[in-house]
Amino acid sequence: EAQVTQNPRYLITVTGKKLTVTCSQNMNHEYMSWYRQDPGLGLRQIYYSMNVEVTDKGDVPEGYKVSRKEKRNFPLILESPSPNQTSLYFCASSFGSSGANVLTFGAGSRLTVL
Amino acid sequence: AQSVTQLDSQVPVFEEAPVELRCNYSSSVSVYLFWYVQYPNQGLQLLLKYLSGSTLVKGINGFEAEFNKSQTSFHLRKPSVHISDTAEYFCAVSDTGAGNMLTFGGGTRLMVKP
Repeated sequence: EAQVTQNPRYLITVTGKKLTVTCSQNMNHEYMSWYRQDPGLGLRQIYYSMNVEVTDKGDVPEGYKVSRKEKRNFPLILESPSPNQTSLYFCASSFGSSGANVLTFGAGSRLTVL
Repeated sequence: AQSVTQLDSQVPVFEEAPVELRCNYSSSVSVYLFWYVQYPNQGLQLLLKYLSGSTLVKGINGFEAEFNKSQTSFHLRKPSVHISDTAEYFCAVSDTGAGNMLTFGGGTRLMVKP
């Protein structure tokens, strides 16, 4: 089944404890992206990648890092999480980077930072 | 830069009644338009998209949307809703240049009551 898989789905952590949210897609998509969803704000893009070893900042990149060493994986790293990073995170991918491409989303990762 | 405004954060409606979810956007360039749906505890999935051509677009589950360039709107409609349509709906826009940079609206929660 074609899908985007995120792990963990739920995580509670404490301020300053580094964590990684993994994202993997099995569709050979070139484009991958991370969003955070907050009530009333919709989804805001954190980082995106147009291909292996190519990443760029979205609208809200502060406090996050990403890497794209392999085509299928795009992990999101929080080096020193803070409570304002408590949110619902979505990874998404698409075949190409044109704005006409439809994104396939993962099921989401709910992160709570205490 | 683009922005998307979903005018209603919540829309309660009775089962079998018609519904319209409103979406307005602003952009200085040509855009592609999307509606995504998020069912409880799931990721987003595409409902419909407008890329070009006919301004009336039909999507899954009986939904349709009309692109109105002069009013910069892309309202979503369904003539008769079901309980299973209860979900959050997101309008999104991307420009027609390179780069899959989707800008989302804040979302509208559709609550269908029996």
